[in-house]
Amino acid sequence: GENVEQHPSTLSVQEGDSAVIKCTYSDSASNYFPWYKQELGKGPQLIIDIRSNVGEKKDQRIAVTLNKTAKHFSLHITETQPEDSAVYFCAASKAGGGADGLTFGKGTHLIIQP
Amino acid sequence: EPEVTQTPSHQVTQMGQEVILRCVPISNHLYFYWYRQILGQKVEFLVSFYNNEISEKSEIFDDQFSVERPDGSNFTLKIRSTKLEDSAMYFCASKGEAGSQPQHFGDGTRLSIL
Repeated sequence: GENVEQHPSTLSVQEGDSAVIKCTYSDSASNYFPWYKQELGKGPQLIIDIRSNVGEKKDQRIAVTLNKTAKHFSLHITETQPEDSAVYFCAASKAGGGADGLTFGKGTHLIIQP
Repeated sequence: EPEVTQTPSHQVTQMGQEVILRCVPISNHLYFYWYRQILGQKVEFLVSFYNNEISEKSEIFDDQFSVERPDGSNFTLKIRSTKLEDSAMYFCASKGEAGSQPQHFGDGTRLSIL
C-alpha cells in the first residue's frame, strides 16, 4: 500500500520568514495530495490540495509543489504569522474512485517564533 | 459553512464494552469515512462508505469494527468489544461526488478505554 514520509517533524521559524515542509510517497498510482492543518483539539482542516496533473498551486501565502517523477510534494508558507502555528499533515490518495482513503504523513509541528 | 459534526466529544468506556461513535456528515455529501489518530501519531484511515456499503477498509478495520448509516443523516462507527489499544481520537469525514475533493473532517471523538 501507499506510504507517505514527512519531514521535518518539528519546524521553528521566525515570524515573517518562510516555512517549507516536504513529503514523499511510494505509490505511483496516487494522484491527489492534500495538506491539512490541525490545531489543538480540532480535526484536520484542508489548507490546499493538488492533483497529479498540476505541478504547482498557490493560494495567497500558501503554495504546494509536486514532482511526480521523484514522488515528492512540498508545502510552502510565506510571511509566516503566529496563527500559522499548528501541526501540518500531508496526505496522498487515488482520487476519482471509491478506494480513496487518505494515507497521511506523520505530521510537522510548525512553531512561529515572535 | 457546512460542517461535519461528531458526538460525543469524549467517550470513556470499560474494556470489553461496546461503543458507538456518531457522525453527522455534510448534508449533500455521498462518501463517508472514519479515521483514527492515536495520541501523538499520524491520522490513519479505517474505512470508507458509499451507497450503503463499505468501499474500502484498512487492516485496522477488523471484525470488531462496523459502520452503518441508519438514517439519512447519521453515520456511525461501532466497536464491539473494546480493547485498551482502541484508545484514540476518531475522526469522521465526508465528501461530495466521486471525482470531487476534498474530504471534510469533524473535530473528532476522543475514546478512552479503561
